[in-house]
Amino acid sequence: EAQVTQNPRYLITVTGKKLTVTCSQNMNHEYMSWYRQDPGLGLRQIYYSMNVEVTDKGDVPEGYKVSRKEKRNFPLILESPSPNQTSLYFCASSFLTGRNEQFFGPGTRLTVL
Amino acid sequence: GENVEQHPSTLSVQEGDSAVIKCTYSDSASNYFPWYKQELGKRPQLIIDIRSNVGEKKDQRIAVTLNKTAKHFSLHITETQPEDSAVYFCAASRNNNNDMRFGAGTRLTVKP
Repeated sequence: EAQVTQNPRYLITVTGKKLTVTCSQNMNHEYMSWYRQDPGLGLRQIYYSMNVEVTDKGDVPEGYKVSRKEKRNFPLILESPSPNQTSLYFCASSFLTGRNEQFFGPGTRLTVL
Repeated sequence: GENVEQHPSTLSVQEGDSAVIKCTYSDSASNYFPWYKQELGKRPQLIIDIRSNVGEKKDQRIAVTLNKTAKHFSLHITETQPEDSAVYFCAASRNNNNDMRFGAGTRLTVKP
């Protein structure tokens, strides 16, 4: 089954404790992206990657890191989480050419105390 | 960069009525305009999209119209049903997804 998976789905952590949210897709998509969703603000892009070893900042990259060592995986790293990073996070992937439909993962609800 | 504004933020209609959600964008080079539906607790899913070489696209009860001159596009849902209740997001981008910008979302409620 073609899909985007994220882990964990829910996470409660404390300020300053490093964490990683994993994202994996099995559709051979070149493009992968991370968004955060906050009430009234829609989906804001954090980082994106157009291929292996190619990453770039989105609109709200501060406090986040990413890596793209393999085509299928695109982890999101919070080196020192803060309460303002409490949010719902979505990973998405798509092809770069042809139809641009983005497929979203199930989301990760993160709470930073 | 691109800026997408979406209205209204909430919309309540009676079952069977039509619903219209409108979006405006700022980047005249944008040429891909998808609409996503997000049900409560679920992930956003594409319901319809349109490219700039087309003015209108229809898929059963949903349709999207695009006015490139005015830089606005709209989602139309006819004969609404309770299962249409969700948050709808519009988005705009150029050829690549790296510059896709989403609207803030419209919470649609269809009352039985």
